[in-house]
Amino acid sequence: AQSVTQLDSQVPVFEEAPVELRCNYSSSVSVYLFWYVQYPNQGLQLLLKYLSGSTLVKSINGFEAEFNKSQTSFHLRKPSVHISDTAEYFCAVTRGSTLGRLYFGRGTQLTVWP
Amino acid sequence: GVTQSPTHLIKTRGQQVTLRCSSQSGHNTVSWYQQALGQGPQFIFQYYREEENGRGNFPPRFSGLQFPNDSSELNVNALELDDSALYLCASSPSGGSTDTQYFGPGTRLTVL
Repeated sequence: AQSVTQLDSQVPVFEEAPVELRCNYSSSVSVYLFWYVQYPNQGLQLLLKYLSGSTLVKSINGFEAEFNKSQTSFHLRKPSVHISDTAEYFCAVTRGSTLGRLYFGRGTQLTVWP
Repeated sequence: GVTQSPTHLIKTRGQQVTLRCSSQSGHNTVSWYQQALGQGPQFIFQYYREEENGRGNFPPRFSGLQFPNDSSELNVNALELDDSALYLCASSPSGGSTDTQYFGPGTRLTVL
């Protein structure tokens, strides 16, 4: 079975500070890894994903995540956050099979203060 | 993009409800997820070319339909209080595990 653990339910930070949102997964098979973001009253939007190749993946708005197979982690980082980054962030995995079933973590609420 | 209707819905225990979703054009796969308060979304089922293609740990009173015109429905019979949640639909090009799923804004269901 797959499970995704997001260790922090809430992360408050000040504007322009760095942030790391942690994600660990457990799986006996190969997985693909995703970070989705959910702004208030909106659906989930893909932030970035790791399928294969370089273990460091980046989004267009400055976030990056590194796949670490030995530690089964896919932590999300940003060197300098903005107030507009305030949202709920979900880590998710799919199995390396044909069905695109997403297994989500419980989410981390990132709140950026001025 | 993906749209869902209605935005909010209030029902009483034992009633039936139908939620609707319009997929992104050209996508032939739709998945439905239930997001309880404070939790991550849980997979209900996936439809590919109008047939159920996989199901999560939800009872048979949760059923769905997918139509040729990029629309789909989630039906829930005999509503229970624990069915109160945000219901999300997501469409993708082929439903594969590497696909990006595009989510709608959700329908907030409250069961009293």
